[in-house]
Amino acid sequence: AQTVTQSQPEMSVQEAETVTLSCTYDTSESDYYLFWYKQPPSRQMILVIRQEAYKQQNATENRFSVNFQKAAKSFSLKISDSQLGDAAMYFCAYRSPNSGNTPLVFGKGTRLSVIA
Amino acid sequence: NAGVMQNPRHLVRRRGQEARLRCSPMKGHSHVYWYRQLPEEGLKFMVYLQKENIIDESGMPKERFSAEFPKEGPSILRIQQVVRGDSAAYFCASSPYTGTVNYGYTFGSGTRLTVV
Repeated sequence: AQTVTQSQPEMSVQEAETVTLSCTYDTSESDYYLFWYKQPPSRQMILVIRQEAYKQQNATENRFSVNFQKAAKSFSLKISDSQLGDAAMYFCAYRSPNSGNTPLVFGKGTRLSVIA
Repeated sequence: NAGVMQNPRHLVRRRGQEARLRCSPMKGHSHVYWYRQLPEEGLKFMVYLQKENIIDESGMPKERFSAEFPKEGPSILRIQQVVRGDSAAYFCASSPYTGTVNYGYTFGSGTRLTVV
């Protein structure tokens, strides 16, 4: 079974600075999908960014980018120019490409604080 | 186009009572997933349903928990004879059809169940 590990329970960053959140995963599959979700205090799960494992190019979405290292099974999230609204729990998730709609496997999350 | 709607947002039950959590998927979505989030944990998959069918219930406790997604109406997650350990946030997510595996699908805002 696949597992996702987020080794940083908490992180903090100064407003306008850059922060990187770590995520590693374990799988025997060669193709899969990886996601970062943001969960603010409202509890809503918001998709931040996704990466297909067969794509070598790292995904980017405005201030959010990933560093995908397939051989190392690492999928870190970089947030540039951090804003107060970025404060939230961030979850890394893995999804198998098997046929049908497979469930997501989540890490335990990293709580990000943004300091004004 | 309303998102995934879950109700109630908060639910308090005494030990031994039944809890019924409702989820209306996004319009046009025929796949529903239920996840549970314990305090300070990531989301854990419980069950995956299509209309009138349970596709994968490998994450659901064998006793006291059941789920349905009828032809008409919302998906229901039912917990009978609740215990304090059932206290958690329960999230529903939906996706359209098979083949959208590259998406992380859309989550509702969750139902926070408190068992007293």
